[in-house]
Amino acid sequence: AQTVTQSQPEMSVQEAETVTLSCTYDTSESDYYLFWYKQPPSRQMILVIRQEAYKQQNATENRFSVNFQKAAKSFSLKISDSQLGDAAMYFCAYRSRTGANSKLTFGKGITLSVRP
Amino acid sequence: ETGVTQSPTHLIKTRGQQVTLRCSSQSGHNTVSWYQQALGQGPQFIFQYYREEENGRGNFPPRFSGLQFPNYSSELNVNALELDDSALYLCASSRETSGPYEQYFGPGTRLTVT
Repeated sequence: AQTVTQSQPEMSVQEAETVTLSCTYDTSESDYYLFWYKQPPSRQMILVIRQEAYKQQNATENRFSVNFQKAAKSFSLKISDSQLGDAAMYFCAYRSRTGANSKLTFGKGITLSVRP
Repeated sequence: ETGVTQSPTHLIKTRGQQVTLRCSSQSGHNTVSWYQQALGQGPQFIFQYYREEENGRGNFPPRFSGLQFPNYSSELNVNALELDDSALYLCASSRETSGPYEQYFGPGTRLTVT
């Protein structure tokens, strides 16, 4: 079974600064997807960024980028130029690419606060 | 394009009762997944429905059951409610059950069992 670990329960960043959220995972599969989801206080979960394990290049989406280290099973999210609207809970998630269904396995999440 | 909607928003039930939660998938999506999110935790996969058939189940007892309708909307039913069932229940829909298709989440139903 796959597991996702987010060991930092909370982090704080100054507005306009950069912050990195950590995630490690465990799997015996070689083909999978990794995701970062954002859940603001209003609760609706939205996708921030996706990484396909077979791609060596790290994914980027505007101010969001990842550092994907497949051998180390590490998948961190970097948020540049942090904004007040980035304050939320962030979840790292794993999905098998070859499984029978598209279930997501989530970590426990990290609460990010942004100081003005 | 209408997003994923869920009803009701909040619900309070008594231990031992039964509850039905509803989810309308996004237009064009044939796959619906249900997740349970306890307070301060990450979502846990309950089960997935693909074209009206259950397509995978997490570690939840049989009193958690579901349905998917021809329009791909879905219901989650929980029988014999327990206090530990208190949680946010999320549904997510996607275009297919495999492939690089994003799962779009609804706002959730907050269930409180007293």
